[in-house]
Amino acid sequence: EAQVTQNPRYLITVTGKKLTVTCSQNMNHEYMSWYRQDPGLGLRQIYYSMNVEVTDKGDVPEGYKVSRKEKRNFPLILESPSPNQTSLYFCASSLTQAHNEQFFGPGTRLTVL
Amino acid sequence: GENVEQHPSTLSVQEGDSAVIKCTYSDSASNYFPWYKQELGKRPQLIIDIRSNVGEKKDQRIAVTLNKTAKHFSLHITETQPEDSAVYFCAAVGGSARQLTFGSGTQLTVLP
Repeated sequence: EAQVTQNPRYLITVTGKKLTVTCSQNMNHEYMSWYRQDPGLGLRQIYYSMNVEVTDKGDVPEGYKVSRKEKRNFPLILESPSPNQTSLYFCASSLTQAHNEQFFGPGTRLTVL
Repeated sequence: GENVEQHPSTLSVQEGDSAVIKCTYSDSASNYFPWYKQELGKRPQLIIDIRSNVGEKKDQRIAVTLNKTAKHFSLHITETQPEDSAVYFCAAVGGSARQLTFGSGTQLTVLP
């Protein structure tokens, strides 16, 4: 089944404790991205990747890191989480570039205490 | 960068009526405009999109219109049904095709 998966789905952590949210797609998509969703603010792009080893900042990259060592995986890393990073996170992928349908993962609900 | 504004933030309609959601964008080079629907607790899913060489696109009860001169585009849902209740997001992709910028979302409620 063609899909985007994220893990974990729910995470409660404390300020400063490094964490990684994994994202994987099995559709051989080139473009992958991370969004955070907050009430009243919609979906804001954190980072995106046009292909393997090519990553770039989105609109809200502060406090986040990403890597794209393999085509299928695009992990989101929070080196030192803070409470303002409490949010719902979505990973998405598309065939090529941002001009195509984005396929979203199920979301990760993160709470930073 | 691109800025997308979406209105209204909430919209209630009677079942069977039409609903219209409007978005404006700032980057005149933007050339791809998708609409996503997010049901409660679910992931966003594409429902319709339009490219800048087209003024209108229809898919059954859903239509999108684009006015490039005014830099705005709209989603039209006719004969609304309870299952249309969801949050709807517009988005725009700039000329470089690298970034997708979303509007803030519209909570549509269809009242039986």
